[in-house]
Amino acid sequence: QKEVEQNSGPLSVPEGAIASLNCTYSDRGSQSFFWYRQYSGKSPELIMSIYSNGDKEDGRFTAQLNKASQYVSLLIRDSQPSDSATYLCAGDFKPGAGSYQLTFGKGTKLSVIP
Amino acid sequence: EAGVTQFPSHSVIEKGQTVTLRCDPISGHDNLYWYRRVMGKEIKFLLHFVKESKQDESGMPNNRFLAERTGGTYSTLKVQPAELEDSGVYFCASSQVEGGLYGYTFGSGTRLTVV
Repeated sequence: QKEVEQNSGPLSVPEGAIASLNCTYSDRGSQSFFWYRQYSGKSPELIMSIYSNGDKEDGRFTAQLNKASQYVSLLIRDSQPSDSATYLCAGDFKPGAGSYQLTFGKGTKLSVIP
Repeated sequence: EAGVTQFPSHSVIEKGQTVTLRCDPISGHDNLYWYRRVMGKEIKFLLHFVKESKQDESGMPNNRFLAERTGGTYSTLKVQPAELEDSGVYFCASSQVEGGLYGYTFGSGTRLTVV
C-alpha cells in the first residue's frame, strides 16, 4: 500500500525563522509531489509542486525532492504568522490500471509565533 | 476564474438518511475527483471522472456511495443510507489533465456529520 508519512507536529517556529517540513513516501513509481496548505475549515491550497530531484524555489518557499531517499521537504523562509496552517504532503500515484491518485500524508500543523 | 465549488458546506443527518453532495469543477476541467477525510485520518481518494465517465472508483468504500457526473459538468455524490462511519469531510478536486502536471484544485469541502 502506498503511503506518505509526515510528522503531525505541531511544529512551532518564531516569526522570521525557517520552518522545515518533511515527508517520506513508499512508492518509487510516483513522479509528482505536492505541498498543500490548509487553513482550518478551508480547502487545501496548492503551494508547491515538484517533479524532479533537487530544489524548486518560489518566493519564500523551497521544495526539495530526493527520489533515491524517497523524501520530500518544504522550507518556508522568513516565516510569518499567516503561514500558520496545516501543511499536507501528497504524491501522485498510479496504481496499475487505475487513475493517478493523490496519496496524502496526515499533515503537519505549523504555528508561527509572533 | 471561479474555483471548485462544493455544497452544502455542512450537513448533519441521521443514520439511515440519504445525503447528496454536489461539486462544480472549474469550467473546462474534464477531470473531477472525490476525496474524503475521516476524523484523524489522511485525505483519501474515492473516485475519478473524465467528463461523464467513471475512470476509477476503486476508493469508494461500499455500494452505499453513488457518484454521478451527468453531462460531464457538475458531479453529485450520494450516500444512501448513511452510516455513522461516513462522517467526515468530502472534498472535490478538478484538473485540466489527468495526473498532477498542472496541479489539482480543491474545493472547500462538505463536512458531513451522521448522528
